[in-house]
Amino acid sequence: DVKVTQSSRYLVKRTGEKVFLECVQDMDHENMFWYRQDPGLGLRLIYFSYDVKMKEKGDIPEGYSVSREKKERFSLILESASTNQTSMYLCASRTPGLAGEDEQFFGPGTRLTVL
Amino acid sequence: LAKTTQPISMDSYEGQEVNITCSHNNIATNDYITWYQQFPSQGPRFIIQGYKTKVTNEVASLFIPADRKSSTLSLPRVSLSDTAVYYCLVVPPGVGGSYIPTFGRGTSLIVHP
Repeated sequence: DVKVTQSSRYLVKRTGEKVFLECVQDMDHENMFWYRQDPGLGLRLIYFSYDVKMKEKGDIPEGYSVSREKKERFSLILESASTNQTSMYLCASRTPGLAGEDEQFFGPGTRLTVL
Repeated sequence: LAKTTQPISMDSYEGQEVNITCSHNNIATNDYITWYQQFPSQGPRFIIQGYKTKVTNEVASLFIPADRKSSTLSLPRVSLSDTAVYYCLVVPPGVGGSYIPTFGRGTSLIVHP
């Protein structure tokens, strides 16, 4: 079974703190993703990574950065947390397939609260 | 990328068949249609994918008409545990993972006793 794990299920931070959210997958997937999910707004892509040391901005990258130094690990960084970054953060991974195959495997999510 | 439109919410009762339709009017010739399911407090999980006609697995069926401008996810005899958000995505073909997925808001299905 593919397993995607996230470092914390719940996290509480203060405004201005630097926050690291870690994601690890154990299936040697090339692609990894960070999403945030807010009520009424659905799932929105923050950043994704094709492969090690590669990253691309998603729909809402402002206020975030990412790091992918190893294939299995993809980190989301909030350089200076703000209250509007309170959200559920979801990590996913996949191996790109041919002909439209797209099965992403998601982690359990991290619910971040910024006070 | 083709834009998808699906109902925001649906209600059903245990034992009924539920059909969730997704519109994707500008789907390209080689695009696939993929559906994910998300239970409360969990990440989404892939449930089914198809290109045309009908696909069936142990979770659901996917019906795609000839013009492919819409698709219908069918859940037979739903139970309370099928309460979830269902997302429809249109996925272009490609090698190398350049496709950027767009989940949107999905359809929130609530199954009542």
